[in-house]
Amino acid sequence: NAGVTQTPKFRVLKTGQSMTLLCAQDMNHEYMYWYRQDPGMGLRLIHYSVGEGTTAKGEVPDGYNVSRLKKQNFLLGLESAAPSQTSVYFCASSYVGAEQYFGPGTRLTVT
Amino acid sequence: ILNVEQSPQSLHVQEGDSTNFTCSFPSSNFYALHWYRWETAKSPEALFVMTLNGDEKKKGRISATLNTKEGYSYLYIKGSQPEDSATYLCAYCMNRDDKIIFGKGTRLHILP
Repeated sequence: NAGVTQTPKFRVLKTGQSMTLLCAQDMNHEYMYWYRQDPGMGLRLIHYSVGEGTTAKGEVPDGYNVSRLKKQNFLLGLESAAPSQTSVYFCASSYVGAEQYFGPGTRLTVT
Repeated sequence: ILNVEQSPQSLHVQEGDSTNFTCSFPSSNFYALHWYRWETAKSPEALFVMTLNGDEKKKGRISATLNTKEGYSYLYIKGSQPEDSATYLCAYCMNRDDKIIFGKGTRLHILP
């Protein structure tokens, strides 16, 4: 099993560009999450999903959109990237109420 | 806004010494408390998921306790080793179908 994978691993964007980060899991988990990690801020939840076709806002959803069209995939979109979105993005998945399994992270720089 | 507080922010411990740190969370509603270990340049990995007041969990030299009535959990590391150097995160979940909120972590440095 690959566990949780994230694509791409690194990306540099110019302000105003758009991109989509892909998270995939092969553990049949119902729940999937997107976090961002910034120095001194720990992990902050952007959006999450409790099942295929559902999404919900986390702590810092502004500037991001998500979709969960298939149970195994959770996409995070940036429509118009801003320098404030420079961060490391982690995806995670879990069974209901259970521990989360994290992907390796995507390092995004917006110039 | 739900606050999950961890203390201390950073800790330096001599190799071989034991240590502990704290996670505080709202005591009014509770479903689960998670502990994760996060090594530099890696991804967080789960240590424990605790759901019952009075729960105690153990994995090797690491153990955790939970007090849901007063809203805190302790993580203990016995006989610290260099490989214990990491950030330890706790995360609180209020309801079964709800998101979990992470604290900012305790950064543990083991001194040789």
